[in-house]
Amino acid sequence: ELKVEQNPLFLSMQEGKNYTIYCNYSTTSDRLYWYRQDPGKSLESLFVLLSNGAVKQEGRLMASLDTKARLSTLHITAAVHDLSATYFCAVDRSTGNQFYFGTGTSLTVIP
Amino acid sequence: SQTIHQWPATLVQPVGSPLSLECTVEGTSNPNLYWYRQAAGRGLQLLFYSVGIGQISSEVPQNLSASRPQDRQFILSSKKLLLSDSGFYLCAWSVGGKASTQHFGDGTRLSIL
Repeated sequence: ELKVEQNPLFLSMQEGKNYTIYCNYSTTSDRLYWYRQDPGKSLESLFVLLSNGAVKQEGRLMASLDTKARLSTLHITAAVHDLSATYFCAVDRSTGNQFYFGTGTSLTVIP
Repeated sequence: SQTIHQWPATLVQPVGSPLSLECTVEGTSNPNLYWYRQAAGRGLQLLFYSVGIGQISSEVPQNLSASRPQDRQFILSSKKLLLSDSGFYLCAWSVGGKASTQHFGDGTRLSIL
């Protein structure tokens, strides 16, 4: 069974600080996706990583993928309150484009 | 552009009642379609996925079923709801035949009384 684990599960950080969220997965895959979910809302796609060494950046967020280590990171630079949300990574297992989601990281940015 | 519609947004049902949630996608052909459930404060659990009309794969055994009567329509059903069926149900689509991100609908919040 494919397992996708994120850590930390909960993260409280001050505005202006940097931090990294980690996503580990248990099976070979070179396709990983990051999503954001605001409370009570649906999921919004952030990044699509489709190869080893892929790096994508959007604003204060940067995602990377190391398929050999089965690890993806989501780095937050100089956090602002608007980044408060739950972040999910998802691994694509097969040609059916079936995603397996991580446990989620609930991020709270404190002014 | 592609859009995904999911309804109803909120539903309160008694235990033992039937369920029908509907999802439609516009602006694309032959999409992959998915149903997920998210329990309160938890991650997403893949329930069903479909790569074409009438083709449904189930990821977990349960009292739910799914159908795809048309290319861009995906329906989640139950004959008798259980308390444990409460949750946030999300429909998603992706481009068929290749690796691509999944795009989610706004979700249905289902409460079982």
